[in-house]
Amino acid sequence: AQSVAQPEDQVNVAEGNPLTVKCTYSVSGNPYLFWYVQYPNRGLQFLLKYITGDNLVKGSYGFEAEFNKSQTSFHLKKPSALVSDSALYFCAVRDPYGNNRLAFGKGNQVVVIP
Amino acid sequence: DSGVTQTPKHLITATGQRVTLRCSPRSGDLSVYWYQQSLDQGLQFLIQYYNGEERAKGNILERFSAQQFPDLHSELNLSSLELGDSALYFCASSSGGDYGYTFGSGTRLTVV
Repeated sequence: AQSVAQPEDQVNVAEGNPLTVKCTYSVSGNPYLFWYVQYPNRGLQFLLKYITGDNLVKGSYGFEAEFNKSQTSFHLKKPSALVSDSALYFCAVRDPYGNNRLAFGKGNQVVVIP
Repeated sequence: DSGVTQTPKHLITATGQRVTLRCSPRSGDLSVYWYQQSLDQGLQFLIQYYNGEERAKGNILERFSAQQFPDLHSELNLSSLELGDSALYFCASSSGGDYGYTFGSGTRLTVV
């Protein structure tokens, strides 16, 4: 089965510093990868996706993610974190053998310190 | 507004009771997915429907059931509720392809 792993529970970063949230994947075939963000008491919001093409994917709110096939990683990045980026971030992979449903990682809490 | 509507937003009920959560998918989306989010279990996939038919089941308890109606809205029925069923329940919809999901804002269920 397709799966993703988010190895860290929480990421703390100072405002203005680069932010990285890690994700590794395990798939059969070509991966369709996604990042979602969840703010308190809200649903998950789509940030970006990788389907094919350039390994660097740009998304919403200044976020980007780098697809690395050799390391089976899809890390989320932002050059300069804002306090408002504090939220729960989920990596997901599409499972073509599971009726295309998304398999989510456990989520990473990001805390941006003013 | 994501286009996926979930009602009610909050629900408080007693153990042993039954509740129904409702989801209206984004216009044009045929697939509906239900997820349960709790602090200790993360985001757990429950069940998927596509155009009225059940397509996939995840970690859904026998006390839980769902259906998708001809107008594509979906309902998740939770019965014989236990304290451990307290969680956020999300509905998401998709049109297939590579567009991922659109999530609703969730229903927070509290069982007392």
